Parts: sequence; structure tokens; C-alpha cells
Amino acid sequence: DGGITQSPKYLFRKEGQNVTLSCEQNLNHDAMYWYRQDPGQGLRLIYYSQIVNDFQKGDIAEGYSVSREKKESFPLTVTSAQKNPTAFYLCASQGANSPLHFGNGTRLTVT
Amino acid sequence: KQEVTQIPAALSVPEGENLVLNCSFTDSAIYNLQWFRQDPGKGLTSLLLIQSSQREQTSGRLNASLDKSSGRSTLYIAASQPGDSATYLCAVTGFQKLVFGTGTRLLVSP
Repeated sequence: DGGITQSPKYLFRKEGQNVTLSCEQNLNHDAMYWYRQDPGQGLRLIYYSQIVNDFQKGDIAEGYSVSREKKESFPLTVTSAQKNPTAFYLCASQGANSPLHFGNGTRLTVT
Repeated sequence: KQEVTQIPAALSVPEGENLVLNCSFTDSAIYNLQWFRQDPGKGLTSLLLIQSSQREQTSGRLNASLDKSSGRSTLYIAASQPGDSATYLCAVTGFQKLVFGTGTRLLVSP
């Protein structure tokens, strides 16, 4: 079955550590996205990529980094520069004229 | 800058009622609009996708309409069931990216 997989489901880190969230899709989609979701707020776009080896900053890119070396993979690194990293992170992919497909999310807690 | 608003923020109805969720957006230059469902602690599931040239889409008990000129979309749920309880989000696609609303949290009681 085609789909988009995020791992791990829960992640705990100490303040000051970088952490990388995984996102893999086998839908052959060109576009991939990372969103952050906080209680009472809508989804906010962190980074997106329309094609391999290219990505663009979203609305809240500071303190995050991404790479898109393969079509299937779009990992997100939360760096120690991110002031408030505890959140629910959602990865999505999209093909041409098709709905957005989401993974089940990673809940990151930084203490 | 595109802004998407969803009203109401929360809605509680008894089972069997028909209901309407609203979504409004400030920039009518959109490619499409999507409605999603999100269960607690989960990702989003796409319900309906309306292209900018379309007026509505239907899937089962769900019907979504789009009025681009007025910047509005509605999601109509017929004969609501407890299993419909979730948060419903709309999102509009403009140039290169999606913008999401904050969602409507729906509770359907038996």
C-alpha cells in the first residue's frame, strides 16, 4: 500500500540537542511539506520541497533545517536554535492535482 | 498574505443532525481548496478536494462547496454520526503552498 510514514511517533530530547524527524513516502509525489501544529493554532508551514535537491523556507523556518536528496525522503532537523521545539510535527506529500497526504505525525518533547 | 478562518471553532450536535462547517479565505487567487479530518493525536485525512474551477464535490454524506469570488467554502455533513467526531480543517492552495485554517472541533453525541 502506498503511503507516507513518519518516525518515531514520540521523541524526547534534552534542550540543546539537535534531533532529526524522519518522513518517507512511496507515493511517487514530487512535493513534500513539513508542518508544525500547536494547541489552538492552525498548521504552520516550516519547509517545503517541490522537487529533489530543492527546498524552500515556509513561514516558521528559523531553527529548522531539511534536505531532499531523494524523492522519497524529506527529513527535518530541529536544531538547538529553535526556541520552542516541543510540538506535534506533520509531514505531507502531494502529487500534481491530487490531495495532500499526511503522515501520522511525530510528537516531540524537549525538556 | 492569505488568511483562512473557520467558524465555529467548536460544535456539538446530537446524532442524526445535518450540519454545516464554514471556511473563509482572504485571497481568491487559489488553485484548490481541501477539507481534512483530524482525529486526536493523528495526522490529517483528506476528505474532499475542490479545484478552483469547480463549485462543489461530494463524497458519501459529505458535500463541500466553493465560492471563490466571495472567499468561502462550506462542508455539509448529512445525518451526523458519533464516528464523525473529529477536528475538520480546510486549506487553500495558492502559489506553491497551502494555508490552513485553525479547524472546527466537532462532537456528535449518541
